[in-house]
Amino acid sequence: QSALTQPASVSGSPGQSITISCTGTSSDIGYYKFVSWYQQHPGQAPKLLIYEVSNRPSGVSDRFSGSRSGDTAYLTISGLQTEDEADYYCSSYTTTTTVLFGGGTRLTVL
Amino acid sequence: QVQLVQSGAEVKKPGASVKVSCKASGYTFTSFDVSWVRQVTGQGLEWMGWINPNNGNTGYAEKFQGRVTITRDISRTTSYMELSGLRSNDTAIYYCVRERGGFDPWGQGTLVTVSS
Repeated sequence: QSALTQPASVSGSPGQSITISCTGTSSDIGYYKFVSWYQQHPGQAPKLLIYEVSNRPSGVSDRFSGSRSGDTAYLTISGLQTEDEADYYCSSYTTTTTVLFGGGTRLTVL
Repeated sequence: QVQLVQSGAEVKKPGASVKVSCKASGYTFTSFDVSWVRQVTGQGLEWMGWINPNNGNTGYAEKFQGRVTITRDISRTTSYMELSGLRSNDTAIYYCVRERGGFDPWGQGTLVTVSS
């Protein structure tokens, strides 16, 4: 199975909004609600930002939001802050009871 | 608080096996699946497999089938990931994660270095 497809990099200025896409197939993102997003700063373990497409765990800023359309999921970060500069990964369950990750997107806050 | 604490760094020779442990605390161990994820330095996340601690059922990524074994010890609230036939490109940080709609929390990671 191939990894989910994410853009390698995105950038934005403080205060702006950005959206990261994550494209899969009808056997993963398009099938299950179990789509998640993670933030990883250098040298740290990933942190869960969004689960089940659009739900935020307690303690995660409401500047982070998730959505899905067909086989593609989206992570939107509004009101960009310098501390948002990190790598972002999406993941999804698949119909073969496995999990796929996206290749990751490096966010640069200019 | 809910946490997963992993065993320490390992250095192994090519062809050897490694077994990493992951001790869970702060929640009912048998109520949530545990997955293992690895990350080669400078690269992305790669899901390896999962275990249902309640019944011991497992599932593995096709890439690791036949080389990885995930087990658990309920009395110790600990999950284990064993990877055999190690190669240099298995050098990576290995994480255990609790499955709860998404992966949360993550263990601190265990660096496994494969070198002759």
